[in-house]
Amino acid sequence: QKEVEQDPGPLSVPEGAIVSLNCTYSNSAFQYFMWYRQYSRKGPELLMYTYSSGNKEDGRFTAQVDKSSKYISLFIRDSQPSDSATYLCAMSTGTASKLTFGTGTRLQVTL
Amino acid sequence: KAGVTQTPRYLIKTRGQQVTLSCSPISGHRSVSWYQQTPGQGLQFLFEYFSETQRNKGNFPGRFSGRQFSNSRSEMNVSTLELGDSALYLCASSSEGQGYEQYFGPGTRLTVT
Repeated sequence: QKEVEQDPGPLSVPEGAIVSLNCTYSNSAFQYFMWYRQYSRKGPELLMYTYSSGNKEDGRFTAQVDKSSKYISLFIRDSQPSDSATYLCAMSTGTASKLTFGTGTRLQVTL
Repeated sequence: KAGVTQTPRYLIKTRGQQVTLSCSPISGHRSVSWYQQTPGQGLQFLFEYFSETQRNKGNFPGRFSGRQFSNSRSEMNVSTLELGDSALYLCASSSEGQGYEQYFGPGTRLTVT
């Protein structure tokens, strides 16, 4: 079993929809939780990070962490075709640089 | 501020050969990490360098090695290439103590034939 599980999708939604992306994990030592966006043939781009449990909002993006359930989510409001990409969750046990990634969810936002 | 750069962007090698990939971090970032991305395994951590020292290592065979120079630029080497080494190799940089805020380069796509 992988330390971080993520539904690969693809997830297809109409423009303007609210998108919910999720990851579950098994290692209770994870403290930092990140979301990356990766367009085809590009490197991952950091969207946001959260420390421990709670919510964090940045524009149309909201990250949620529930450490008691070992479950994290990324919500995208008013989704746009430009949001079509693969979304990767990543986690670390501290401030060190070893990140453990989910396999990514492919999102398609249609007109 | 310029982002992370990686060279070359594409490489084709033959089984048994060796390859060296290069990464220049964001100016001021002293930590450089390397990851392998494949369709089957996703993104997997290879190793991290800080101040010219390997600080952390993932679960990869000894054929994968790296180094870091005094200007924080890093190289990664894979010896005795195998078909399974075909992947996108990504480099990421971060400031000291901020490994949760890593910035990735565009990657080097390695194809082993």
